[in-house]
Amino acid sequence: GNSVTQMEGPVTLSEEAFLTINCTYTATGYPSLFWYVQYPGEGLQLLLKATKADDKGSNKGFEATYRKETTSFHLEKGSVQVSDSAVYFCALNTGGFKTIFGAGTRLFVKA
Amino acid sequence: GAGVSQSPRYKVAKRGQDVALRCDPISGHVSLFWYQQALGQGPEFLTYFQNEAQLDKSGLPSDRFFAERPEGSVSTLKIQRTQQEDSAVYLCASSFGGRVASTGELFFGEGSRLTVL
Repeated sequence: GNSVTQMEGPVTLSEEAFLTINCTYTATGYPSLFWYVQYPGEGLQLLLKATKADDKGSNKGFEATYRKETTSFHLEKGSVQVSDSAVYFCALNTGGFKTIFGAGTRLFVKA
Repeated sequence: GAGVSQSPRYKVAKRGQDVALRCDPISGHVSLFWYQQALGQGPEFLTYFQNEAQLDKSGLPSDRFFAERPEGSVSTLKIQRTQQEDSAVYLCASSFGGRVASTGELFFGEGSRLTVL
């Protein structure tokens, strides 16, 4: 079945450090891929998406590239801020009603 | 309101009690989803509505779980005879279109945290 695996957290970084959160997926067909973010006390919100191989999604300085050959969609940011502290969820959808989420990776950024 | 609204935000129930969780989606959104999020896990799909029609309920864990959206807007998730394993955050999400992947974006509420004692 379809599934998403992302790196376990928590990830603790100092401000201005480089961030990578790994995400790999298993899916039939050609899924769309997403990163959602959940800030403390808030609901999940879409951070970025990519709908086909080699697409790069980007938003708020975050980027992720849809790599079909490695079935990956790793999230990166060149310089994190304290305000980026949140839980990040990788997700996929194969065109149906169900979006499949990973377990989430908690990020702490220290000043 | 501008976003997806859920109530109550927190609910404590004794084992065996019935609970009802409400979701008010973004106005005009056709699609409505319920997800269950256990502690430290990602959201797990429960059920999907397109307007008032429940098109997929394959994720509901047992027949104690029931969801409805009678007028195609507000939805209620009801859990009968609650058990401790039902303790989780229940998330509601909506989207404008009828196919999630084509729109690419689910709008989530803040969730209802259920604790069953």
